[in-house]
Amino acid sequence: DQQVKQNSPSLSVQEGRISILNCDYTNSMFDYFLWYKKYPAEGPTFLISISSIKDKNEDGRFTVFLNKSAKHLSLHIVPSQPGDSAVYFCAVFVQGAQKLVFGQGTRLTINP
Amino acid sequence: DAGVTQSPTHLIKTRGQQVTLRCSPKSGHDTVSWYQQALGQGPQFIFQYYEEEERQRGNFPDRFSGHQFPNYSSELNVNALLLGDSALYLCASSLVYDTQYFGPGTRLTVL
Repeated sequence: DQQVKQNSPSLSVQEGRISILNCDYTNSMFDYFLWYKKYPAEGPTFLISISSIKDKNEDGRFTVFLNKSAKHLSLHIVPSQPGDSAVYFCAVFVQGAQKLVFGQGTRLTINP
Repeated sequence: DAGVTQSPTHLIKTRGQQVTLRCSPKSGHDTVSWYQQALGQGPQFIFQYYEEEERQRGNFPDRFSGHQFPNYSSELNVNALLLGDSALYLCASSLVYDTQYFGPGTRLTVL
């Protein structure tokens, strides 16, 4: 069973507009969430994280929102830039098992 | 400050063979985790090493084994390779309980 789901395999956005990537999780006990970005032939790069004690965390153009009641998080990128084109993975850190559980990824394409 | 490094970059093996992948963690990190990423999927946790011991393991068979050395570097060994073992193998390093940082991965192809 998929504990972390990214239901959109791909997303295309115009340069300068907002990109919104979504992620759903199944276990209400999860309390630490991360977003990674992956370019081809590279490993995932850590972008931003959020603890369940918050509902929003910002870092420059990137903002992560957490809705605990809906078990949903989203990553907003604004303004979107061509260099943002990559695969984005949502992940949850499972404290007891000391592991990351990833979604399937969303391929974001920023069009000039 | 070097990040996480992995070797080799690419590897081609045949079914039944054995393979060893290597990882050097980011400077200052003492924990190494290994993940397998199949095409079109997110990375799947294999196991984690801390203080030279396997402390957590995902749902992978015993054909997958590992080791951590005193300098915190790590190896992933896979025996009796199957076609389904073809994947990108990612190493991540961290301080225990902290954010994991990934290396570039080793692309393993099993023919």
